[in-house]
Amino acid sequence: GAVVSQHPSRVICKSGTSVKIECRSLDFQATTMFWYRQFPKQSLMLMATSNEGSKATYEQGVEKDKFLINHASLTLSTLTVTSAHPEDSSFYICSARGDGYEQYFGPGTRLTVT
Amino acid sequence: AQSVAQPEDQVNVAEGNPLTVKCTYSVSGNPYLFWYVQYPNRGLQFLLKYITGDNLVKGSYGFEAEFNKSQTSFHLKKPSALVSDSALYFCAVRDMSAGKSTFGDGTTLTVKP
Repeated sequence: GAVVSQHPSRVICKSGTSVKIECRSLDFQATTMFWYRQFPKQSLMLMATSNEGSKATYEQGVEKDKFLINHASLTLSTLTVTSAHPEDSSFYICSARGDGYEQYFGPGTRLTVT
Repeated sequence: AQSVAQPEDQVNVAEGNPLTVKCTYSVSGNPYLFWYVQYPNRGLQFLLKYITGDNLVKGSYGFEAEFNKSQTSFHLKKPSALVSDSALYFCAVRDMSAGKSTFGDGTTLTVKP
């Protein structure tokens, strides 16, 4: 099946710094990528949808200036958490979809802001 | 707006017994329905999907789900549970005309030996 990777898998940063998370589709071209946030024992909250070469569409309540998304190619999307604060600590999951119906999920990135 | 409900936070079954994880949905058009499984600190793994066709869908690891349009349900089932099936399960729905999926709150399945 299709594989989506995320890097890093785990990151710890200091409050006020920025962190970039990469999401790659390894064996297919992802026309659409999604970024989710998941709190402990809770469901996935969609943050934004990005299509290659265009601006991301953010869900209501998600600050686009804080969570910068770039989908520069059909195999790579990045999420940058700018000026991170402890409340941004969470599990971030990306997923990618090609031409079919299915979404393929990355393994997630655990962000801890101290 | 589309929505998904997983009425049970937790399902406990004994190994070897059948299991059911419930899911109901609401969507304006014809639904795409999905089940995913998540192990601790991991992303979601696809189990199965319903797009069209037979109401009984078979997926990975012996799981199956039955689409019931009149009850707007898509319950996940397995005839004989394994301890290794213990995980968090998510149901998701996507409207055919929309691009994004909506996930249920998840059900923690615990299979005891």
